[in-house]
Amino acid sequence: QKEVEQDPGPLSVPEGAIVSLNCTYSNSAFQYFMWYRQYSRKGPELLMYTYSSGNKEDGRFTAQVDKSSKYISLFIRDSQPSDSATYLCAMSENKAAGNKLTFGGGTRVLVKP
Amino acid sequence: DTEVTQTPKHLVMGMTNKKSLKCEQHMGHRAMYWYKQKAKKPPELMFVYSYEKLSINESVPSRFSPECPNSSLLNLHLHALQPEDSALYLCASSQDLGTSGRSDTQYFGPGTRLTVL
Repeated sequence: QKEVEQDPGPLSVPEGAIVSLNCTYSNSAFQYFMWYRQYSRKGPELLMYTYSSGNKEDGRFTAQVDKSSKYISLFIRDSQPSDSATYLCAMSENKAAGNKLTFGGGTRVLVKP
Repeated sequence: DTEVTQTPKHLVMGMTNKKSLKCEQHMGHRAMYWYKQKAKKPPELMFVYSYEKLSINESVPSRFSPECPNSSLLNLHLHALQPEDSALYLCASSQDLGTSGRSDTQYFGPGTRLTVL
């Protein structure tokens, strides 16, 4: 079993819809949670960074963390074709472990005009 | 400014060649990373530098040799690579290694797409 599970998709939605992305994890030592967006043949771009259970909002993006269920989500409101990309969740532990990130496998999202 | 730059963007090399990848950041970050990413897979950590010293080597073959000449620069020297080493090589940096009890966000560069013939 992988430490971080993420549905690979592809997830296809019409423009304007809400995109819902999820990751589950098994390592209870994970304390910090990130979402990255990666366009084809480009480097990952940090979207959201959270470290506590609950919701964090930034523009059209909302990150949700439920540490008791070991589950995180990213919601994209009013999705645009430019949101078409692969979304990677990533997590790290709260210790001097080299700040190592454990990534999910990535979910490919396609927003159709 | 959260920019990490990488050169070259693309590199094609033969199995007997020696080449180098370069990474630069001017955010004052003291930790830098090399990742390898194969198509449709997440990035895999290769090396971590902290304050210009190698902190982590994820059992990477010796044909990959990292170097951190100063706090802003990170190189990856390549020698005698195999076709299966073809991938996107990503550099990242963070303020520190999260040793103060918190995690430090990693910012990625655009990557170098490497093809080994």
